[in-house]
Amino acid sequence: DVKVTQSSRYLVKRTGEKVFLECVQDMDHENMFWYRQDPGLGLRLIYFSYDVKMKEKGDIPEGYSVSREKKERFSLILESASTNQTSMYLCASSPGGDFTSGNTIYFGEGSWLTVV
Amino acid sequence: GEDVEQSLFLSVREGDSSVINCTYTDSSSTYLYWYKQEPGAGLQLLTYIFSNMDMKQDQRLTVLLNKKDKHLSLRIADTQTGDSAIYFCAENINNAGNMLTFGGGTRLMVKP
Repeated sequence: DVKVTQSSRYLVKRTGEKVFLECVQDMDHENMFWYRQDPGLGLRLIYFSYDVKMKEKGDIPEGYSVSREKKERFSLILESASTNQTSMYLCASSPGGDFTSGNTIYFGEGSWLTVV
Repeated sequence: GEDVEQSLFLSVREGDSSVINCTYTDSSSTYLYWYKQEPGAGLQLLTYIFSNMDMKQDQRLTVLLNKKDKHLSLRIADTQTGDSAIYFCAENINNAGNMLTFGGGTRLMVKP
């Protein structure tokens, strides 16, 4: 089974702190994603990566950066956390290629971040 | 642009059928997906349908696709309390490569 592991389930951080959210997948997937989930807004893509050291902005990249130094690990960084970044963050991964072959993406359990 | 819409909430009694609806806008979508999110957890893939199919059945789940109206539905037969969750539909858009666009999610509440 595909396993996507997010290291922290619950975090509380102060405004202005630097925050790292870590994600590891064990299926040698090329693609990795970070989403945030907010009530009524569904899932919104922050960044994704299709290869080591490669990254692409998603729909809401402002205030975030990412790092993919190794294929299995994709980190989301909040350089200076703000209260409007309080949310549930979901990491995901998928095999290489596009979804026209029925590939899909697999999600981690989520990280609940509260910024006070 | 692409948009996937779902109603926010559905309440049913245990044993009844549930029907969760979704509309999408991009007619070039090749696959459409249903994900389930239980409380405090990530999303799990429930099922998917290829765009040249009208229907797909998998045990208690039936997916219906009306490509003309860009309407997708998920029917859960004999709904159980364990089916209470948020259900997301998602479409894959050809020209977006590896991206899925998600709807806002429908919260299904099953009453005993």
